Amino acid sequence: SQELEQSPQSLIVQEGKNLTINCTSSKTLYGLYWYKQKYGEGLIFLMMLQKGGEEKSHEKITAKLDEKKQQSSLHITASQPSHAGIYLCGAEPRPGEYGNKLVFGAGTILRVKS
Amino acid sequence: ETGVTQSPTHLIKTRGQQVTLRCSSQSGHNTVSWYQQALGQGPQFIFQYYREEENGRGNFPPRFSGLQFPNYSSELNVNALELDDSALYLCASSFTGRGTDTQYFGPGTRLTVL
Repeated sequence: SQELEQSPQSLIVQEGKNLTINCTSSKTLYGLYWYKQKYGEGLIFLMMLQKGGEEKSHEKITAKLDEKKQQSSLHITASQPSHAGIYLCGAEPRPGEYGNKLVFGAGTILRVKS
Repeated sequence: ETGVTQSPTHLIKTRGQQVTLRCSSQSGHNTVSWYQQALGQGPQFIFQYYREEENGRGNFPPRFSGLQFPNYSSELNVNALELDDSALYLCASSFTGRGTDTQYFGPGTRLTVL
């Protein structure tokens, strides 16, 4: 079965600093989702990547998919307190199958110091 | 907000009891997936319902069961509750049949088993 490993497990950054979170898969990535979660709450969809080399940005968050390395990265530029939370990557275990069932990493806890 | 709602928000039960959690999917969506998220971990896929039929199941025992109704809302039932069932239960709705089927999550139900 597919497993996702996220690194780091947690990080604390000073407001205004950049940071990167990585998600590495044990198998080929066919679809990779990034979500953000406030503690004890639901997941907020950030971005979805499907093709190797694909890169998407939303506001100050950029996600990339390196299919060859079976890895995705999430980069936040000029972090703000509003970026604090738990970032989760989720992957589709099989390609092209209707009704995806996501496998998630354990999450990366981000704290932003002002 | 995603438009996915869950009830109740919090629930306390004792070991051996039964519980029913409810989820209303986002307008226009036809698929509901349920996940269990233990403290400090990523969500684990329980099962998915599409057109009122179970469309995939994770590694959960039969005492976890579900339903999907004609309006695409869904229920998760857990019988013979165990202490390890204490977790945040998340439902996610999506549209199956249009290529990409991003899952949008509700706020979750926090279940505590004593």
